[in-house]
Amino acid sequence: KAGVTQTPRYLIKTRGQQVTLSCSPISGHRSVSWYQQTPGQGLQFLFEYFSETQRNKGNFPGRFSGRQFSNSRSEMNVSTLELGDSALYLCASRFEGLSYEQYFGPGTRLTVT
Amino acid sequence: DAKTTQPNSMESNEEEPVHLPCNHSTISGTDYIHWYRQLPSQGPEYVIHGLTSNVNNRMASLAIAEDRKSSTLILHRATLRDAAVYYCILRDGVGGYQKVTFGTGTKLQVIP
Repeated sequence: KAGVTQTPRYLIKTRGQQVTLSCSPISGHRSVSWYQQTPGQGLQFLFEYFSETQRNKGNFPGRFSGRQFSNSRSEMNVSTLELGDSALYLCASRFEGLSYEQYFGPGTRLTVT
Repeated sequence: DAKTTQPNSMESNEEEPVHLPCNHSTISGTDYIHWYRQLPSQGPEYVIHGLTSNVNNRMASLAIAEDRKSSTLILHRATLRDAAVYYCILRDGVGGYQKVTFGTGTKLQVIP
């Protein structure tokens, strides 16, 4: 079974621009979560989607948004980029049920200049 | 929000057991204890989780204190491929991951 895939793997943007990152979950997984990882803050939860609905949200400004499609693929968007948005953005999927483990993708490395 | 405390780094010799501690003194009754690890240049991967009883799987063992305020991830024989950052997190068994804090974890160095 293919793992979680994220595109693109690397991205360079300038301040003020917007960016869209994509995540394809493992087949059959309907829950997709997004995380931001920075050296100082570690991994921070952004939001979780399930069946095209945002189910949970972390403490991030409204510039960070996401959506999920009917095939469970998910995108996250960051508008008006700031230097502090430079980070590794990780997507994780999981199968709803008794198993709680998440499966992470390799991440998208975003650099804002 | 319940949080965990882990040492920043640990060292282990190859082929020896490793005990990675985690303190979670504010754990609630519905919190599951999860362990993930992140190898260099990869996303985190699930290792093990438990609620009250000790757990074993092919990767590791999880020992949970009787009062649940601490836990220990045990790697029975460390290999070079176990060098990674290990995260201990608490996840509410009722809700989702919105209150999960991964923190900065424990960086495990395995010495050949």
